[in-house]
Amino acid sequence: DGGITQSPKYLFRKEGQNVTLSCEQNLNHDAMYWYRQDPGQGLRLIYYSQIVNDFQKGDIAEGYSVSREKKESFPLTVTSAQKNPTAFYLCASSIPLTTSSTDTQYFGPGTRLTVL
Amino acid sequence: DAKTTQPPSMDCAEGRAANLPCNHSTISGNEYVYWYRQIHSQGPQYIIHGLKNNETNEMASLIITEDRKSSTLILPHATLRDTAVYYCIVRGNAGGTSYGKLTFGQGTILTVHP
Repeated sequence: DGGITQSPKYLFRKEGQNVTLSCEQNLNHDAMYWYRQDPGQGLRLIYYSQIVNDFQKGDIAEGYSVSREKKESFPLTVTSAQKNPTAFYLCASSIPLTTSSTDTQYFGPGTRLTVL
Repeated sequence: DAKTTQPPSMDCAEGRAANLPCNHSTISGNEYVYWYRQIHSQGPQYIIHGLKNNETNEMASLIITEDRKSSTLILPHATLRDTAVYYCIVRGNAGGTSYGKLTFGQGTILTVHP
């Protein structure tokens, strides 16, 4: 089955520790995204990557870092600099936009991070 | 991307059609209408999208008014599993400043009851 996987589903960490969230896709999509969702809120874009070895900051990149060494993988590291890391983290992927098309983003199941 | 307005909640009886409205009066000519839904504690699920014409797939139908200022998502035979938050999103194609970002509003909480 093609799709996007995120692991783990639930993650607990102590305050001050860095933690890396996994996102893998086998859809052969070039673009990948990380969003954060807080209770009762919409999604906010953290980082996105249009192609391997390239990524851009989204609206709330402070305290986060990413890498894109492989097309299939886009891990997100939540660093100790992130003031309020407890949230639901969602990864998505899509075929990149072109000047004459639109993209459809497909989401993974999410990772719920709780910092104690 | 254009702003959208949706009712905060709706109810529907199981087996009946669920019609979810969305207003997007400031939509521009190159912006698409997308619908996603999110079941509690899961990732958003893509449902359908359209530009001008009505669209139908295995999940739903999308009806866009002729002036494109509003649209309706139709779930033809709602089931209990369709209970979720439904998001209407308007976004453009490449070249705009909103590349990559899906802006989710508050959405409509659809409750399907027996």
